[in-house]
Amino acid sequence: QAQLVESGGGVVQPGRSLRLSCAASGFTFSNHGMHWVRQAPGKGLEWVAVIWYDGSDKYYSDSVKGRCTVSRDNSKNTLYLQMNSLRAEDTAVYYCARDRGGVRYMDVWGKGTTVTVSS
Amino acid sequence: QSALTQPASVSGSPGQSITISCTGTSSDVGGYNYVSWYQQHPGKAPKVMIFDVSNRPSGVSNRFSGSKSGNTASLTISGLQAEDEADYYCTSYTSSSTLVFGGGTKLTVL
Repeated sequence: QAQLVESGGGVVQPGRSLRLSCAASGFTFSNHGMHWVRQAPGKGLEWVAVIWYDGSDKYYSDSVKGRCTVSRDNSKNTLYLQMNSLRAEDTAVYYCARDRGGVRYMDVWGKGTTVTVSS
Repeated sequence: QSALTQPASVSGSPGQSITISCTGTSSDVGGYNYVSWYQQHPGKAPKVMIFDVSNRPSGVSNRFSGSKSGNTASLTISGLQAEDEADYYCTSYTSSSTLVFGGGTKLTVL
């Protein structure tokens, strides 16, 4: 059964960095693109980034472009999101999700990890 | 990358049908048949209910259906049940090779 487990969230000061991880199991990780999606407290879902199955291509939302980098290690079945220059508005639950059909939709989601940016 | 437009809330009684709209532009909803819909219960991860405008993943009730006309996609839930009460989000592929979500719609089953 496909499963995704996020980790790495926590409380961080504005301007600092944080790296999130997403461990995949139950499916062939290297066959799928992967997404990061976030949800600020009491707000809606916001798409953050996608990385191709082999890491060859990456796309970002305007809100994180230049500050965040998505990467993956297919040998470790793990997805990452490196977040730099964090702002209060980055406070959210961060979900990783499996891509289907080439950035068409997301069919498996993790339970999320919470990032709080506060001094 | 402006968010797609959804009504903030909709409601219906058990057994009734409701429709949630999702309006974008020719650069997203109108340009591709890659609209999907997600259901999210409080404190839970989203679950895909419809993909590629009108396709249901295995295991999703046939009470859920999707359609699109021009720049507006729609999710219809027929035979409303109490368990359908949740937040619903649309998303679309865009001309920038990204995804964009709608603002979300809170469904209340009266």
